[in-house]
Amino acid sequence: AQSVTQPDIHITVSEGASLELRCNYSYGATPYLFWYVQSPGQGLQLLLKYFSGDTLVQGIKGFEAEFKRSQSSFNLRKPSVHWSDAAEYFCASYSGAGSYQLTFGKGTKLSVIP
Amino acid sequence: DVKVTQSSRYLVKRTGEKVFLECVQDMDHENMFWYRQDPGLGLRLIYFSYDVKMKEKGDIPEGYSVSREKKERFSLILESASTNQTSMYLCASSLDRGGQPQHFGDGTRLSIL
Repeated sequence: AQSVTQPDIHITVSEGASLELRCNYSYGATPYLFWYVQSPGQGLQLLLKYFSGDTLVQGIKGFEAEFKRSQSSFNLRKPSVHWSDAAEYFCASYSGAGSYQLTFGKGTKLSVIP
Repeated sequence: DVKVTQSSRYLVKRTGEKVFLECVQDMDHENMFWYRQDPGLGLRLIYFSYDVKMKEKGDIPEGYSVSREKKERFSLILESASTNQTSMYLCASSLDRGGQPQHFGDGTRLSIL
């Protein structure tokens, strides 16, 4: 079955430092990949998506992600973290073009030290 | 922008009550979804609907039912609420084309006493 793994449950970074959140997927073919962010008590907001084409995708709030087929990874990055980026981040994937069900990782909670 | 609106942010109900959670989307999306989110368990799909009056079970449908009488509205029903249904409930919608992202509402935090 399709799975999405976020190896880091909790990451703490200093404000202004760079950030990389890891995501690995298990689907064999090219998946549809997404990153979402959830602030406390809120719903999930779409940060960016990858379907095909350029493996480096840009999203909102200054985030980007790189698809690496050889590593089955889709890591999220930001060059300089702001205190308002503190939230929980979810990686998600469809298992195929005809699938309705998104498979979510368990999430990575990001804390930012002022 | 897509707007998915859940009728209540916070809801407190008693065990045995019939509970309705309402969700409305304004972008003419074909697909709608209900998830619950619990610490350590992530997001789990309860039900989804790919068309009016159509529904499919997700991973954890037990104790829940859904209704989709109109395209824009998808309701989650707890037939007889129990304390283990205390959770954050999230509604989402998407276009019915391959691999479209799902757009989420702000969630309903439901407490069953």
